[in-house]
Amino acid sequence: EDKVVQSPLSLVVHEGDTVTLNCSYEVTNFRSLLWYKQEKKAPTFLFMLTSSGIEKKSGRLSSILDKKELSSILNITATQTGDSAIYLCAGLRQGGSEKLVFGKGTKLTVNP
Amino acid sequence: NAGVTQTPKFQVLKTGQSMTLQCAQDMNHEYMSWYRQDPGMGLRLIHYSVGAGITDQGEVPNGYNVSRSTTEDFPLRLLSAAPSQTSVYFCASSYTDLNTEAFFGQGTRLTVV
Repeated sequence: EDKVVQSPLSLVVHEGDTVTLNCSYEVTNFRSLLWYKQEKKAPTFLFMLTSSGIEKKSGRLSSILDKKELSSILNITATQTGDSAIYLCAGLRQGGSEKLVFGKGTKLTVNP
Repeated sequence: NAGVTQTPKFQVLKTGQSMTLQCAQDMNHEYMSWYRQDPGMGLRLIHYSVGAGITDQGEVPNGYNVSRSTTEDFPLRLLSAAPSQTSVYFCASSYTDLNTEAFFGQGTRLTVV
């Protein structure tokens, strides 16, 4: 059975801290790993990682995939209160029944 | 820019009632899907469609039906609502397959009493 596990499930930090969110996956016919940020409503796309070892960056956020370890990390540097959200990781299974398998998410709270 | 539109935003049903959650997208996306999100459970796939006329079951399909008569619309039907279906429902779409960014609707909060 496909599964994606995120850790920690929740995290509370102060503004300016750096955080690392973890995601491990066991997905049949794995194709890509995707990160989403969910604030109050709809998840919004952050990154899609397909190749191992290549870091993707967007401002203070960065992410990298390790296919050997079946894992990915999402780093956020110099956190701000606006980074408070649930961060979702999803593994994409390719093939006849292509599906995204989501983890339970990491709830990040950034206090001023 | 409408993107993915879900209606209604909130709904309260009595056990046994039926209803349809609407989802429409104006981006000409082929792939559409329905998820439910429960506390501590993440997003779980209910049904998905890779194009008009084609649907398939996801992880938790029981109690739900879907159809895809047009590219734009992908309604989710609850045949006989149960309290276990109390959840937040999200519709998502992406261009041709999931290896591109998926766009989510704003969600429907459904309560079954």
